[in-house]
Amino acid sequence: DGGITQSPKYLFRKEGQNVTLSCEQNLNHDAMYWYRQDPGQGLRLIYYSQIVNDFQKGDIAEGYSVSREKKESFPLTVTSAQKNPTAFYLCASGRDEQFFGPGTRLTVL
Amino acid sequence: AQRVTQPEKLLSVFKGAPVELKCNYSYSGSPELFWYVQYSRQRLQLLLRHISRESIKGFTADLNKGETSFHLKKPFAQEEDSAMYYCALRGGSNYKLTFGKGTLLTVNP
Repeated sequence: DGGITQSPKYLFRKEGQNVTLSCEQNLNHDAMYWYRQDPGQGLRLIYYSQIVNDFQKGDIAEGYSVSREKKESFPLTVTSAQKNPTAFYLCASGRDEQFFGPGTRLTVL
Repeated sequence: AQRVTQPEKLLSVFKGAPVELKCNYSYSGSPELFWYVQYSRQRLQLLLRHISRESIKGFTADLNKGETSFHLKKPFAQEEDSAMYYCALRGGSNYKLTFGKGTLLTVNP
């Protein structure tokens, strides 16, 4: 089951630590996205990238950072500045249709 | 600003009954509307988009610009339709999506 992968599946972090979530795709898509999924909140866009070496803030970018050095990869760093980081994080790629990864569940201890 | 509203968090129907999942949107231009579905333990995936005007798994959705709605309908619900359904809007040229908060559909036997 290739396409778009995220790792790890589960991640635990202590308060005050930064943590990086991995997202890789082999679909040759220029556009990639990071969403946060919370119960009752739907999906909210954190960051998106339309092409390599370029990215824009989404609706809830505060406390997060990204990079897009390679077409295949779009890692998300959850920094200690993010006040409520415990959530399910989804990565997606594609333009006309977005293809989603399996997600990473981050828990702050 | 663009917004998507799904007024029902939960919707429960019996097998064989008609089902309608409501979606209303707010956008000043001409939007593209989508329905995404997430079955239990599966990835979020595209169900249908208004541009293609096709029926997927028996579901249809018509864009009503006058009522700014894109309701998802199926005449006879099946147990395998039980899932979380998200309505999404794309406006402008940057390919990003705005999602509603989702409706959890349960089809009872």
